[in-house]
Amino acid sequence: GAVVSQHPSRVICKSGTSVKIECRSLDFQATTMFWYRQFPKQSLMLMATSNEGSKATYEQGVEKDKFLINHASLTLSTLTVTSAHPEDSSFYICSAPSGTGSSYEQYFGPGTRLTVT
Amino acid sequence: QKEVEQNSGPLSVPEGAIASLNCTYSDRGSQSFFWYRQYSGKSPELIMFIYSNGDKEDGRFTAQLNKASQYVSLLIRDSQPSDSATYLCAVRRFQGAQKLVFGQGTRLTINP
Repeated sequence: GAVVSQHPSRVICKSGTSVKIECRSLDFQATTMFWYRQFPKQSLMLMATSNEGSKATYEQGVEKDKFLINHASLTLSTLTVTSAHPEDSSFYICSAPSGTGSSYEQYFGPGTRLTVT
Repeated sequence: QKEVEQNSGPLSVPEGAIASLNCTYSDRGSQSFFWYRQYSGKSPELIMFIYSNGDKEDGRFTAQLNKASQYVSLLIRDSQPSDSATYLCAVRRFQGAQKLVFGQGTRLTINP
């Protein structure tokens, strides 16, 4: 299957600082990528849809000014958690779709575990 | 009613038996259906997808789709302890949709 990478895999930051997470599609181009958040023992929560060359689409209840998304190229989307607080500590996962029609698949990156102290 | 529903479990199955995971969806026009496996602390991994009514087999895994009943299932034959994970059902609602709608996942435990 297609490969999606994320960097960093784990980050610890102090409260009030900003953290940038990168998501790359390694062997295919992705005009759209998705950012999810997952708290321990809970299900995936879609935060936003990242669109190459245009603004991201945020899900209801997700603060766009706090979670900045940039999709600068066909293989890279970044999520910046601004002014992070302990409640932002979570597992952040990106995904990217590949293929169309009956060959459509969606692949996840390995995730980034954010801890805010 | 949630768009995609799964029994959260936990579902316990003895090693070597068949594990059956079920998922229902509310949008009758949904096009494609995906099963992901997620180990604790890891991101989801695509196991297989199905878009036509009937069965689709891949190794020990069989996906079954019944669009009339709005029901999709995943069977795991000869269950192994390494199959212990949370299984996520996801639905692509229409042909051009990029976004998948996920169920809450079923936690499966295979007992040696």
